Amino acid sequence: AQRVTQPEKLLSVFKGAPVELKCNYSYSGSPELFWYVQYSRQRLQLLLRHISRESIKGFTADLNKGETSFHLKKPFAQEEDSAMYYCALSGTHSGYALNFGKGTSLLVTP
Amino acid sequence: DVKVTQSSRYLVKRTGEKVFLECVQDMDHENMFWYRQDPGLGLRLIYFSYDVKMKEKGDIPEGYSVSREKKERFSLILESASTNQTSMYLCASRGDSGNTIYFGEGSWLTVV
Repeated sequence: AQRVTQPEKLLSVFKGAPVELKCNYSYSGSPELFWYVQYSRQRLQLLLRHISRESIKGFTADLNKGETSFHLKKPFAQEEDSAMYYCALSGTHSGYALNFGKGTSLLVTP
Repeated sequence: DVKVTQSSRYLVKRTGEKVFLECVQDMDHENMFWYRQDPGLGLRLIYFSYDVKMKEKGDIPEGYSVSREKKERFSLILESASTNQTSMYLCASRGDSGNTIYFGEGSWLTVV
């Protein structure tokens, strides 16, 4: 069975502080991992995918197969980073569908 | 830009009513999905479709059905709405060759 776990429901940090949103997964094959973000009153949008190894809006995420983790990191948080973040996995379950974690709400305060 | 359009943004329906949620995508994607999004539960897959007239159950299909008569359109149907189906419903699409799933803006459904 495939599962995505985001252990923190809410993460609050000060502006300029480092941020790490945790994501662990369980999957028997080679998964595709994603981070999606949802800003207030906006649609869910792709932030990162592990295949591309990009840095978007200063965020990075590295797939660690040994620890089955795909944590999202940013060295200096900005107030506009406040949003809901979802880690997601795509495998062979349900075709190309994404299996989402329950999400972490990030609040960056001045 | 890929566009996934959900025609109804906000609906209020009575218990027992039949509800249709419509979704259209303009990128000729083969795969389409319906999720519901609830606080503390994240997004849960209701149904998906990988081709016209093809459908598969997701993780929480009970109380829902779907229709895909045309490639660009995927409808979610609540045959008899109940209050526990009050939620945000998200439609999404993905091409066979693409990694990215694109989401619509969502439909807020309140069942009273």
